[in-house]
Amino acid sequence: GAGVSQSPRYKVAKRGQDVALRCDPISGHVSLFWYQQALGQGPEFLTYFQNEAQLDKSGLPSDRFFAERPEGSVSTLKIQRTQQEDSAVYLCASSLLAGVNTGELFFGEGSRLTVL
Amino acid sequence: GDSVTQMEGPVTLSEEAFLTINCTYTATGYPSLFWYVQYPGEGLQLLLKATKADDKGSNKGFEATYRKETTSFHLEKGSVQVSDSAVYFCALTLGRGNKLVFGAGTILRVKS
Repeated sequence: GAGVSQSPRYKVAKRGQDVALRCDPISGHVSLFWYQQALGQGPEFLTYFQNEAQLDKSGLPSDRFFAERPEGSVSTLKIQRTQQEDSAVYLCASSLLAGVNTGELFFGEGSRLTVL
Repeated sequence: GDSVTQMEGPVTLSEEAFLTINCTYTATGYPSLFWYVQYPGEGLQLLLKATKADDKGSNKGFEATYRKETTSFHLEKGSVQVSDSAVYFCALTLGRGNKLVFGAGTILRVKS
């Protein structure tokens, strides 16, 4: 497709379950970012990939969060043993060049995770 | 740490009214500044940007000027339309960084 695609759009998990969220960036985009957006808040940075290399994971809130982009295109964000505080919208974004210098990130519509 | 503060919403205006959404920032260094917009049911998209002091970003009738002396990047539009109803996010990035730092967002509602 022409834009960033995320799936599932909505996920309900019971506390303690593992979840996996998928992101298909725009083809050819070097950079891929994951953000977490709590209700009523702005997106907060989780992690950054340049091609297949995870160059920055400083925003991951705990070791229950894990992200990968093994072939430099599709990325998966995995959350193990989900907790209620993990409930949020998880946004994926991609950009053509390395980093965010131009600021032109293309965002998907997000995956809304609700942990019961 | 680096942060962005936006005026709280929602902001409700009548069509053709003048819009200002305030944004101030705190940063160690000289950031690039951005406004992103999220229309209902869509992903965030870049609206405009400014990369150095006194630069003015503009797009779709919206403008914002990078004011280093007041650490501000207020968004303005002279005449809003119903189609401008959305959530607006101010954001910054520093140097060769890998992350955008976003404000909390401001909901704009325009009534016909």
